[in-house]
Amino acid sequence: ILNVEQSPQSLHVQEGDSTNFTCSFPSSNFYALHWYRWETAKSPEALFVMTLNGDEKKKGRISATLNTKEGYSYLYIKGSQPEDSATYLCASGMLVFGAGTILRVKS
Amino acid sequence: GAGVSQSPRYKVAKRGQDVALRCDPISGHVSLFWYQQALGQGPEFLTYFQNEAQLDKSGLPSDRFFAERPEGSVSTLKIQRTQQEDSAVYLCASSPPGTEYGEQFFGPGTRLTVL
Repeated sequence: ILNVEQSPQSLHVQEGDSTNFTCSFPSSNFYALHWYRWETAKSPEALFVMTLNGDEKKKGRISATLNTKEGYSYLYIKGSQPEDSATYLCASGMLVFGAGTILRVKS
Repeated sequence: GAGVSQSPRYKVAKRGQDVALRCDPISGHVSLFWYQQALGQGPEFLTYFQNEAQLDKSGLPSDRFFAERPEGSVSTLKIQRTQQEDSAVYLCASSPPGTEYGEQFFGPGTRLTVL
């Protein structure tokens, strides 16, 4: 994998559903993996920075895991709420971003 | 405390016009980054400053793009003779000194539309 890739491109879920999406990145020369949440008309907000293989981070209902050997990270949202609706971006190192996953939570 | 601010938030330009986009980073942040986000894509790196020094401008798409940060705080991204393909959201981000893993604080972006 030469680029940072995110899937799915978009996701629509019902309030209360749990969901997850994927970030794939080059596993060679890994440095750090960042997750950001970007709500419409606001600034992207840092969620997690992950550096070690097997890292698991959690913030409220949102958690993330990291596998640096195979080059992927998962972001999980438990019990989605409408306020979780946003674009979720991942970035490898500081400078290479994926295209994002757009999450829409319907009430 | 104040976050990163960008102005204008929206800019409409006619093809061929010059535009200037401003970024006010968080006070004390040494590093400043500019990104371009085209519709449906992720942010793409344009350029990076450490204080007033432009250390990397490898992402600037053409010589019509120019960025400066003369006093190591406010930065301006200038686009000369805008083209339709320049239409995008331009994001600015800053980082404090000593950031080990590159956490960045983003502004809300400037949405540029070139007609």
